[in-house]
Amino acid sequence: NAGVIQTPRHKVTGKGQEATLWCEPISGHSAVFWYRQTIVQGLEFLTYFRNQAPIDDSGMPKERFSAQMPNQSHSTLKIQSTQPQDSAVYLCASSRDNSDYTFGSGTRLLVI
Amino acid sequence: QEKVQQSPESLIVPEGAMVSLNCSFSDSASQSIWWYQQHPGKGPKALISIFSNGNKKEGRLTVYLNRASLHVSLHIKDSQPSDSAVYLCAGNNNNAPRFGAGTKLSVKP
Repeated sequence: NAGVIQTPRHKVTGKGQEATLWCEPISGHSAVFWYRQTIVQGLEFLTYFRNQAPIDDSGMPKERFSAQMPNQSHSTLKIQSTQPQDSAVYLCASSRDNSDYTFGSGTRLLVI
Repeated sequence: QEKVQQSPESLIVPEGAMVSLNCSFSDSASQSIWWYQQHPGKGPKALISIFSNGNKKEGRLTVYLNRASLHVSLHIKDSQPSDSAVYLCAGNNNNAPRFGAGTKLSVKP
């Protein structure tokens, strides 16, 4: 069990560019969650999927952020026209039954 | 939507001390409260959870939940330098967990 795998570990993008972050959940886990972590805001919920269907995207900034889960083995978080305030650690977690959550090590995004 | 508040923001204790961390949550319907530990450069790791009023003990960890006061606490007995980390409290009402800002714990040898 390799745990939740997030790639890349680090990403640097120029302002206005697009960034795509990848998450591979633990095999057999039906739910995938995306969070953003900064010093100022802490760990903020973005969105989550259950059995590949979007369930709650109430934390997603509406205009430039999107998430997909095309199959049970991976999910992507895409940020269009990145801004410096998007710089953060983006964390993915998966869960089998909404009772135990395993996080990946995160992707550290820096927008310059 | 669940709101979670944690205190203190940071804590420095000598090795061997008892550590007490506090968490208040807004939604009495939260089905479970979780405590996570996060080391630098790593994702949060689940430590212990509680669902019912009362307390639960696992090794050096004890968690107390009082639903009437919407308060939960985590106590770490005989703290070790390896316990130095950020501790996050999360409430879950059968949706995605919502997290507090965390308490940064430093245990000095």
